[in-house]
Amino acid sequence: NAGVTQTPKFQVLKTGQSMTLQCAQDMNHNSMYWYRQDPGMGLRLIYYSASEGTTDKGEVPNGYNVSRLNKREFSLRLESAAPSQTSVYFCASSANGVSPLHFGNGTRLTVT
Amino acid sequence: AQSVAQPEDQVNVAEGNPLTVKCTYSVSGNPYLFWYVQYPNRGLQFLLKYITGDNLVKGSYGFEAEFNKSQTSFHLKKPSALVSDSALYFCAVKNAGNMLTFGGGTRLMVKP
Repeated sequence: NAGVTQTPKFQVLKTGQSMTLQCAQDMNHNSMYWYRQDPGMGLRLIYYSASEGTTDKGEVPNGYNVSRLNKREFSLRLESAAPSQTSVYFCASSANGVSPLHFGNGTRLTVT
Repeated sequence: AQSVAQPEDQVNVAEGNPLTVKCTYSVSGNPYLFWYVQYPNRGLQFLLKYITGDNLVKGSYGFEAEFNKSQTSFHLKKPSALVSDSALYFCAVKNAGNMLTFGGGTRLMVKP
């Protein structure tokens, strides 16, 4: 049982490049989330999907787009990367609104 | 808007001594409160949650937390700390909506 799988684990981009972070869960969870983690700031919600077919903005959505491809997969896209997007990105899933979140191991992104 | 405060960036405790990691929150309506732990280069792992019921909640690895409505606090505690408890701890809160808000994290250092 893999849980939440994120790819890639590491990525270096130049300013202006684009990329997609992939996330898949095998727990049949309804809700999926994308967070970014920066030192001293905890985790901040970028986008979430409460159920298949829906997506909503979180606290820091600017510069990002998401796609809930199916119940298993939730991708995060950076259309034009900026140095301010250097961060560690975590995908998470949960069965419902009060269930605990299950996290992937993160993607460490550096934008130069 | 909901928020979480973890007033201590770092907590130092000797192995075998009791530990407390502090958390206060602000949210409208009834709070759903969570504690997560993060080990190096890993995603967050769920420790325990308070939804309703008894104010003292027991979780994984011997941790517990006490919900105090009047002080809007949800402090994490353990009677006897282990070196292996050294990690980054996050408190989080949500209400009936889907957005979970995290605190900035507290680094726990347990020394032999």
